Amino acid sequence: EVQLVESGGGLVQPGGSLRLSCAASGFTFSSYAMTWVRQAPGKGLEWVSAISGSAHSTYYADSVKGRFTFSRDNSKNTLSLQMNSLRAEDTAIYYCAKDQSSYGFSYYFDYWGQGTLVTVSS
Amino acid sequence: EIVLTQSPATLSLSPGERATLSCRASQSVSSSLAWYQQKPGQAPRLLIYDASHRATGIPARFSGSGSGTDFTLTISGLAPEDFAVYYCQQRSNWPRTFGQGTKVEIK
Repeated sequence: EVQLVESGGGLVQPGGSLRLSCAASGFTFSSYAMTWVRQAPGKGLEWVSAISGSAHSTYYADSVKGRFTFSRDNSKNTLSLQMNSLRAEDTAIYYCAKDQSSYGFSYYFDYWGQGTLVTVSS
Repeated sequence: EIVLTQSPATLSLSPGERATLSCRASQSVSSSLAWYQQKPGQAPRLLIYDASHRATGIPARFSGSGSGTDFTLTISGLAPEDFAVYYCQQRSNWPRTFGQGTKVEIK
């Protein structure tokens, strides 16, 4: 059974940093690209970042480029999202999501974690 | 960035009725479009990929159509569990983008 479990969310002051993690199980982790999607309270979905299965390639939304870094450890089946210079508008539930197909790169997402809430406020 | 515009924002229907949701892209995405369903407090669920292919385990009452810039999600007869928010998403260009969502509510 595929499982994705996010952790690391919490309350942080503007300008601060936070590191999110996502633990994956139930599939051949290194074969799949992975993606972070966020959702501000009461709002829609926003694609944030993606990483290839090999970790050689990453893409970011303009809204987070230069502030967020997406990495993965295929030996531990884990993802990390390092978030720096946080702003109030980064407040959201952050979901990690698995690509539906092993040949895709942030194509479509067939499994999602339960999400972790990040609140940026003073 | 490709902008996806969904309409209507809210659809008020009764169980058993047909729902037709629209997603329009600011430029062609070919058939590289998906639909997701999200219920309150839950993660999104993949319904349709590549515009018209149902994901694993999705009931046949859900169907997708379209290509280029205009796409439609049809729910042929609304079941009580189908009242939710629906999002489209493109994978044609970076960054990937989602539409703003259509809420299907009980009339």
